[in-house]
Amino acid sequence: KAGVTQTPRYLIKTRGQQVTLSCSPISGHRSVSWYQQTPGQGLQFLFEYFSETQRNKGNFPGRFSGRQFSNSRSEMNVSTLELGDSALYLCASSLSVTYEQYFGPGTRLTVT
Amino acid sequence: KQEVTQIPAALSVPEGENLVLNCSFTDSAIYNLQWFRQDPGKGLTSLLLIQSSQREQTSGRLNASLDKSSGRSTLYIAASQPGDSATYLCAVRSQTGANNLFFGTGTRLTVIP
Repeated sequence: KAGVTQTPRYLIKTRGQQVTLSCSPISGHRSVSWYQQTPGQGLQFLFEYFSETQRNKGNFPGRFSGRQFSNSRSEMNVSTLELGDSALYLCASSLSVTYEQYFGPGTRLTVT
Repeated sequence: KQEVTQIPAALSVPEGENLVLNCSFTDSAIYNLQWFRQDPGKGLTSLLLIQSSQREQTSGRLNASLDKSSGRSTLYIAASQPGDSATYLCAVRSQTGANNLFFGTGTRLTVIP
């Protein structure tokens, strides 16, 4: 069974631009979560979706948004990029919210 | 709010040694606890998941225990190998509040050949 895939793997953007990251969960998984990982803050929860509904949202500004499609694929969008948004963005999928989480390889975003 | 702590932050051991990594959490109302490893610049690989009703889980050379009442979990690695070198993270799924996964800051393990 294919694992969680994330595209693109690497991205370089300029301050003020916006970016969209994509996550394809493991087949059959209906829950998708997003995390930001930085050396200073560690892993921080962004949001969680289940069956196209956002169940939880972390403590991030409104510039961070996401959605989930009917096939469980998910996208997250960051608008008006800031230097501090440079991070590894990780997506995880699971059968349901409290089940074992499987992570993708991440998208490395660099904002210059 | 759930807080997860992992001590030590870094650990170096000679190859072949058995070792224990520690994870503690502040709120015992959890669904489960999951251990991951992360190689530099990569995503997280799930190692073991322990449900709140379980005391331990084993996979190969790995054994994870959970003491929910004291808010502690340990990951035991037997006969360590250089390939075990990575950062190990624990994460708890809280029952209260937003139910999301709370991560520790990790233990960076180096196994010296």
